[in-house]
Amino acid sequence: NAGVMQNPRHLVRRRGQEARLRCSPMKGHSHVYWYRQLPEEGLKFMVYLQKENIIDESGMPKERFSAEFPKEGPSILRIQQVVRGDSAAYFCASSPDRGPGNTIYFGEGSWLTVV
Amino acid sequence: RKEVEQDPGPFNVPEGATVAFNCTYSNSASQSFFWYRQDCRKEPKLLMSVYSSGNEDGRFTAQLNRASQYISLLIRDSKLSDSATYLCVVNPSGGSYIPTFGRGTSLIVHP
Repeated sequence: NAGVMQNPRHLVRRRGQEARLRCSPMKGHSHVYWYRQLPEEGLKFMVYLQKENIIDESGMPKERFSAEFPKEGPSILRIQQVVRGDSAAYFCASSPDRGPGNTIYFGEGSWLTVV
Repeated sequence: RKEVEQDPGPFNVPEGATVAFNCTYSNSASQSFFWYRQDCRKEPKLLMSVYSSGNEDGRFTAQLNRASQYISLLIRDSKLSDSATYLCVVNPSGGSYIPTFGRGTSLIVHP
């Protein structure tokens, strides 16, 4: 499967635990984006990364959330001390380049439920 | 004003109907535009890009009006399988070129 791969697809965490979501971009893509979709709401941008660099994290909450895209391995979105309000679908997308004509392709998403 | 605005709907239409959605954007310098489709509890999927000259893909036609800062999607001969949420996406002209999504317009096609 050459598409964007996300895991886990579904994750249940108790309040206060940590959630780690992984994303492997499409083959040949070096740009990764994370979006969050709350129930009955639209997609909200969180962070944009290239290998070993965070390019734009303007949509990321200042506390408890972090993201990385190491030289080797998938991009990881980490949520520490989860709260009920973190329950959402987290979508990763990738693109081959960057620019105004950029088209991004999504993975199937990771559904986080905080109980 | 939100960066990308869409009427959330739902648009409830019978099979075979023609339906149109509009989307407005606030940044006049935006460079590129897209429509994505999202099914319930699924990821968004690219439906089509939107070009200044307008473009058509089968039953789907997309148009861009830069002067009025809106894009449109027209679906002809609606099918039951067209039922989904349609997301308008705008790429800015600078900065990090982060695609900005509208909240989506829900379409329900009934028999």
